[in-house]
Amino acid sequence: GESVGLHLPTLSVQEGDNSIINCAYSNSASDYFIWYKQESGKGPQFIIDIRSNMDKRQGQRVTVLLNKTVKHLSLQIAATQPGDSAVYFCAEKIVGSQGNLIFGKGTKLSVKP
Amino acid sequence: DSGVTQTPKHLITATGQRVTLRCSPRSGDLSVYWYQQSLDQGLQFLIQYYNGEERAKGNILERFSAQQFPDLHSELNLSSLELGDSALYFCASSARQGLTEAFFGQGTRLTVV
Repeated sequence: GESVGLHLPTLSVQEGDNSIINCAYSNSASDYFIWYKQESGKGPQFIIDIRSNMDKRQGQRVTVLLNKTVKHLSLQIAATQPGDSAVYFCAEKIVGSQGNLIFGKGTKLSVKP
Repeated sequence: DSGVTQTPKHLITATGQRVTLRCSPRSGDLSVYWYQQSLDQGLQFLIQYYNGEERAKGNILERFSAQQFPDLHSELNLSSLELGDSALYFCASSARQGLTEAFFGQGTRLTVV
């Protein structure tokens, strides 16, 4: 299985800078992707999603980029704030599946004031 | 607040015991998913129900079972508990199957002693 917790990749950024969190997904048959944010002691919170027929989608302060050629997903957070500190997970759904999400390892984002 | 309610928030029990975790999905959501999150395994999909019927199974042990009731709430039953079952158990719901985001509850932290 995949490791989280003590073995989480960590990204440390300065408040106000832009953050880029990367994710390599596993299945070329995945057709839908979601980024979740999980704060300590809370459940994963939906941030933004993207379908496989798109390569970019923008939300409020967040942008998701999808590169199907190399099976890579990224989440860009503009003007990172202390409240953005959390663990970020990418999740994928495989085409034809009933809809259950397969989660990546997670990246811990730490924002320095 | 995601609209998904899980009870109890914390549960401490002894090995060999049986517990029931409860989930109320968002109003109108027909799909319920159960996930287990532990330090060394990340977020693992357990099982999905749609409108009362089991639709997908993931890494769910035979000691575990779930059901979704006519009012769409769901229960996850964990029996013959072992120390390794200690984890966070999350319920998520979505409006339908397929390409749609799932909203997570706050989780139940289970500690087996």
